[in-house]
Amino acid sequence: EDQVTQSPEALRLQEGESSSLNCSYTVSGLRGLFWYRQDPGKGPEFLFTLYSAGEEKEKERLKATLTKKESFLHITAPKPEDSATYLCAVQKKGGSYIPTFGRGTSLIVHP
Amino acid sequence: SAVISQKPSRDICQRGTSLTIQCQVDSQVTMMFWYRQQPGQSLTLIATANQGSEATYESGFVIDKFPISRPNLTFSTLTVSNMSPEDSSIYLCSVPASGANTDTQYFGPGTRLTVL
Repeated sequence: EDQVTQSPEALRLQEGESSSLNCSYTVSGLRGLFWYRQDPGKGPEFLFTLYSAGEEKEKERLKATLTKKESFLHITAPKPEDSATYLCAVQKKGGSYIPTFGRGTSLIVHP
Repeated sequence: SAVISQKPSRDICQRGTSLTIQCQVDSQVTMMFWYRQQPGQSLTLIATANQGSEATYESGFVIDKFPISRPNLTFSTLTVSNMSPEDSSIYLCSVPASGANTDTQYFGPGTRLTVL
């Protein structure tokens, strides 16, 4: 069974304090790994897709990396507006196109 | 990108009653998805709604509890029937992205349901 585990569940940072969120996954053949951002009262918003180990994607202060077992979302010099829940999801090769989501990491960045 | 709206945005309901949630997309899409997001839990797919055919339900979800309509390519409804407090959750609809990256999804803002 596909599994996605995100850690930590919650993270509090001071503005400018860089850190990383972890997404560990177990899937029988990875087609793609997705990162979404979800603000309170809103639906998830797509950030990145990673397809193969060693791949990296960047967007502003965010950088996503992928290995064969996990993905990291690195946040460099975060700002309060980066506060949100970050969701990770994996899509399996050859099976349903529907991704399996993790429970998310709730990030709060204090000014 | 697709713009998705949902109605209602939130509701408080009594147990035993039913609530119908509407999802409107600003473009025509073949597939629409309905998800449930319970507190502290991961996003879970309830069903896939295709226009012109019956919805496909995921394991653990049944049509009698979550009937879905898909009358056209821009609209769908999800009904939560005979509600109990365990149905308290956020319900989200989504559509696949178009263009080169069809693996990702666009989500609506969600409907926050509280069952007393």
